[in-house]
Amino acid sequence: EVQEVESGGGLVQPGGSLRLSCAVSGFTVSNNYMSWVRQAPGKGLEWVSVIYSGGGTNYADSVKGRFTISRDDSKNTVYLQMNSLRAEDTAVYYCARGTSSSWADWGQGTLVTVSS
Amino acid sequence: QSALTQPASVSGSPGQSITISCTGTSSDVGSYNLVSWYQHHPGKAPKLMIYEGSKRPSGVSNRFSGSKSGNTASLTISGLQAEDEADYYCCSYAGSSTYVFGTGTKVTVL
Repeated sequence: EVQEVESGGGLVQPGGSLRLSCAVSGFTVSNNYMSWVRQAPGKGLEWVSVIYSGGGTNYADSVKGRFTISRDDSKNTVYLQMNSLRAEDTAVYYCARGTSSSWADWGQGTLVTVSS
Repeated sequence: QSALTQPASVSGSPGQSITISCTGTSSDVGSYNLVSWYQHHPGKAPKLMIYEGSKRPSGVSNRFSGSKSGNTASLTISGLQAEDEADYYCCSYAGSSTYVFGTGTKVTVL
């Protein structure tokens, strides 16, 4: 069974850092491309970042230079390192497996709250 | 990376058909046949309903169909059912390894 489980969310002060994890079972992250997608309270879905099977990465303009996506193939886990956090980064963060430029499998999400 | 434009809400009675539009630009929807649609019930994981514009993943009801014309993609739900009430989002590949979601549409079954 395919499953993604996000963790690492919580309350952090503006300017702080947080690292999200997405532990995967049922498929191998290194053979797939994975994304982080977020949803701010009362808002829509927003694509955040992608990591391809070859290791290439990319980011939305809103997080470029502050967030870093990576993966640990030995742990079958994808990460999102978030630095210089802002109030507008407050959201539920989902990880999702990509296929044909769509997102086929999603986790339940982890909530990040940036507030003083 | 501006969000694709969707109507905020669409409603219909059980058994009716509804269509949700998703308008982008020649840089995203218009350039690639890579539009996907997601059903999202609050508090749950989004679910892929359509990919590559018109293809249905295994297990998705054939009441859901997708199409595209120019810079606008559409999702049609036929034979509307109470369980279809949810938020729906489109998403398009936008080139250079970037992706853009739509603004979202709340579907209400009357």
